[in-house]
Amino acid sequence: DQQVKQNSPSLSVQEGRISILNCDYTNSMFDYFLWYKKYPAEGPTFLISISSIKDKNEDGRFTVFLNKSAKHLSLHIVPSQPGDSAVYFCAASGGANFGNEKLTFGTGTRLTIIP
Amino acid sequence: DAGITQSPRHKVTETGTPVTLRCHQTENHRYMYWYRQDPGHGLRLIHYSYGVKDTDKGEVSDGYSVSRSKTEDFLLTLESATSSQTSVYFCATGPTGLGQETQYFGPGTRLLVL
Repeated sequence: DQQVKQNSPSLSVQEGRISILNCDYTNSMFDYFLWYKKYPAEGPTFLISISSIKDKNEDGRFTVFLNKSAKHLSLHIVPSQPGDSAVYFCAASGGANFGNEKLTFGTGTRLTIIP
Repeated sequence: DAGITQSPRHKVTETGTPVTLRCHQTENHRYMYWYRQDPGHGLRLIHYSYGVKDTDKGEVSDGYSVSRSKTEDFLLTLESATSSQTSVYFCATGPTGLGQETQYFGPGTRLLVL
């Protein structure tokens, strides 16, 4: 049972345009969400996160939006750059009763930025 | 970045042989995790540790065991490797284990079981 889903395995975007990566979750106990970026032959690195008490968090070119009622979050990258080409994982964690110390990851979306 | 190393980085082994993967950290983080990455499944938690000698199972723990005798080292053992355990294995650490904190990942170990 995939509790965190990334339904688009891949996405191609022109350089300079906006990239939008989507993530859906099923468990309402999740209260913190993170995005990780992964280059080939490297480990994932943290990109940006959002708490369930917020609906938006910005960090430079990266913005994460959370829609709790829809159990949906998205990552916006504006403007997209060639170095953004990577696999992006969304992840979620729950409160103390659910296992606050564990992250549940999605299946990943491979983003390719076309020069 | 947290200093996390994994060894070996690549390994080819045969079905039925035991395999041990090592994760070493220099950040004195309390929590350590083992994940596997497979196409179509993303990252799945195998086991994690919340202190020396304190470990717990993750989502896909069958066929794996772990040990943590020192803060800095977390070992993952495949007692009798199977082809289904062919994967890329990542170690991660976290200072406190709180869900809102970042986990820091090692570079990964690519394991092929023939």
